[in-house]
Amino acid sequence: GAGVSQSPSNKVTEKGKDVELRCDPISGHTALYWYRQSLGQGLEFLIYFQGNSAPDKSGLPSDRFSAERTGGSVSTLTIQRTQQEDSAVYLCASSFDSLSYNEQFFGPGTRLTVL
Amino acid sequence: EDQVTQSPEALRLQEGESSSLNCSYTVSGLRGLFWYRQDPGKGPEFLFTLYSAGEEKEKERLKATLTKKESFLHITAPKPEDSATYLCAVNTGFQKLVFGTGTRLLVSP
Repeated sequence: GAGVSQSPSNKVTEKGKDVELRCDPISGHTALYWYRQSLGQGLEFLIYFQGNSAPDKSGLPSDRFSAERTGGSVSTLTIQRTQQEDSAVYLCASSFDSLSYNEQFFGPGTRLTVL
Repeated sequence: EDQVTQSPEALRLQEGESSSLNCSYTVSGLRGLFWYRQDPGKGPEFLFTLYSAGEEKEKERLKATLTKKESFLHITAPKPEDSATYLCAVNTGFQKLVFGTGTRLLVSP
């Protein structure tokens, strides 16, 4: 079956512009996660959704970052007034539900470059 | 604070030369340890989940084991196509994975 898809695959933007990153999870998966992978660093948790609710937003780096999920499916991560330090690969994952022992399956990522 | 440390950072092997990658962790309560493989420019690919000390899982040339403080990923007779970054992550029950920084494996023919 289809895996997690993300769009765009690459995004180049200018400092100060807003960007939207999209994630389409595996069909039937109720939990969705966003992570960030910066060069030379491990994956960093940003936020997770169970259904349309986001019980844990603790990983969002600043109030410039927000995310929403509608219809229990597609999610959008929005970064406002982008800064150069936002440059990274943004990865989305989904799992059957948010029980801690369930495997998370990752999409290919969106590489964001802020000039 | 939950921490995951992987070693070595990079490993170069000849084809057929077996070795092990280490993942040590310090967590408040382990609810699962996960191994992923990541190829350049791609998202992590799920390999294994381990839940309790003493558990082992195998897939082709890979075998993952778990103790109370660390996990090992054993690679037996590796091939060049096993070259990738191997990531270890733990879930402590808060619905997020805490990742190590990975081991970059290069297998030369």
